[in-house]
Amino acid sequence: GAVVSQHPSWVICKSGTSVKIECRSLDFQATTMFWYRQFPKQSLMLMATSNEGSKATYEQGVEKDKFLINHASLTLSTLTVTSAHPEDSSFYICSATGRGNTEAFFGQGTRLTVV
Amino acid sequence: RKEVEQDPGPFNVPEGATVAFNCTYSNSASQSFFWYRQDCRKEPKLLMSVYSSGNEDGRFTAQLNRASQYISLLIRDSKLSDSATYLCVVDAGGTSYGKLTFGQGTILTVHP
Repeated sequence: GAVVSQHPSWVICKSGTSVKIECRSLDFQATTMFWYRQFPKQSLMLMATSNEGSKATYEQGVEKDKFLINHASLTLSTLTVTSAHPEDSSFYICSATGRGNTEAFFGQGTRLTVV
Repeated sequence: RKEVEQDPGPFNVPEGATVAFNCTYSNSASQSFFWYRQDCRKEPKLLMSVYSSGNEDGRFTAQLNRASQYISLLIRDSKLSDSATYLCVVDAGGTSYGKLTFGQGTILTVHP
C-alpha cells in the first residue's frame, strides 16, 4: 500500500505555544488529506478535510483558528495547533487519498502532550 | 444516535476461541465499509474491507447487510496477537472519498 509519513511521532510543548505536525505522502499524490484526533479510550474523530490548493473544511465544533491546516502541495499537509492548552493533548492522525483512489492511508500519528 | 455503533466490549477470550463483533451504521448513503485494528498508541491499520457478498481472509470473515445497515467481523481460532482494538469504519458516502467515520472500537484481549 501507499506510504504516508507523519512527523513528529510525539511532542511535548508548553501551554500557550504552537505545534506544527506534518503529513507527507511519499509515493503518491494526495489530493485529499484528513486530520483526526483521538482522546484516550475514544475513537478517532475527524477534525477537518483538506484538499490541495484550497481551504480546509472543518467538522462541527473544531475551531479553524486554533487548528490551522495547510495543504499547499500534493504531498504535504500540515496541522498547526496554535496556543496549545493541556486539553489539546491528544493523538493526532492524518490520512490521505489520491486521485480516483477510495482507500485512505494513515500516517503513524503524533502524540501531543501540552504541559 | 451515533453514526457508527459497535459492541461495547471488552472481549476477553482464550486462545483458539471464536469471537464475533457487530456494528451498525446510520448513513444509508455509505458505500464502503471496513474493519481496522488499532494497537495501543498506534495508528489504525486496515484489517479488511467488507463487501455485500461477505468476504473471508484467513481466520477473519466479514459480513455486510445493507438493508439492516449492519456489519460483522468473525475471528476464528484466536491468537494472542489478535489482541487489539477493532474499529468498525464507514465512509461518508457520495464523493467524499477517504472520509471515514469510526466506531468507538471494541477491545479484544486473547489470553493463553
